[in-house]
Amino acid sequence: GAVVSQHPSRVICKSGTSVKIECRSLDFQATTMFWYRQFPKQSLMLMATSNEGSKATYEQGVEKDKFLINHASLTLSTLTVTSAHPEDSSFYICSASPGLAADTQYFGPGTRLTVL
Amino acid sequence: AQKITQTQPGMFVQEKEAVTLDCTYDTSDPSYGLFWYKQPSSGEMIFLIYQGSYDQQNATEGRYSLNFQKARKSANLVISASQLGDSAMYFCAMREGRYTDKLIFGTGTRLQVFP
Repeated sequence: GAVVSQHPSRVICKSGTSVKIECRSLDFQATTMFWYRQFPKQSLMLMATSNEGSKATYEQGVEKDKFLINHASLTLSTLTVTSAHPEDSSFYICSASPGLAADTQYFGPGTRLTVL
Repeated sequence: AQKITQTQPGMFVQEKEAVTLDCTYDTSDPSYGLFWYKQPSSGEMIFLIYQGSYDQQNATEGRYSLNFQKARKSANLVISASQLGDSAMYFCAMREGRYTDKLIFGTGTRLQVFP
């Protein structure tokens, strides 16, 4: 099946620093990718829709200046958590679809961010 | 109103038995898709099965089948012959409309399979 990778898988940073997370679709082109965050024992919460060649669409309540998304190519989207604080510590997961309204959507393995 | 409802926070099943995980959804769009994902403790989201709103037959994938009851707006996941490796969180999700890939997730059900 299609593979989506994420890097890094785990990151620990100091409060106030910025962290970049990469999401790559390895064997298909994805015009749209999605970024989720998941707190322990909770469901996935959609943060934003990443569109290749255009600005990301953020869900209500998600600060676009804090969570910068760049979709540089059809296989790469990046999420940068700027000026991270301990409350940003979470599990961040990206997903990509091989086509609009496809019958599956592939997820990356996730990135666990810990902000000290 | 919740778009996706999973009413079972936790379920237990004995190995080799079948188990049904409940999912109900709410949408007025005639075109939608329903997904089930498995999330083991490692955190990865593993796609299990998909059901389109216009599909006439219930989806099946190996030991997984989806009991799709459109009038009741339910899309329950049935796992047959449970295995210890099936222990994980299971999420039901919906794609609403035909011009989006955005998924809305339920709160999940933790399944534990015991010997």
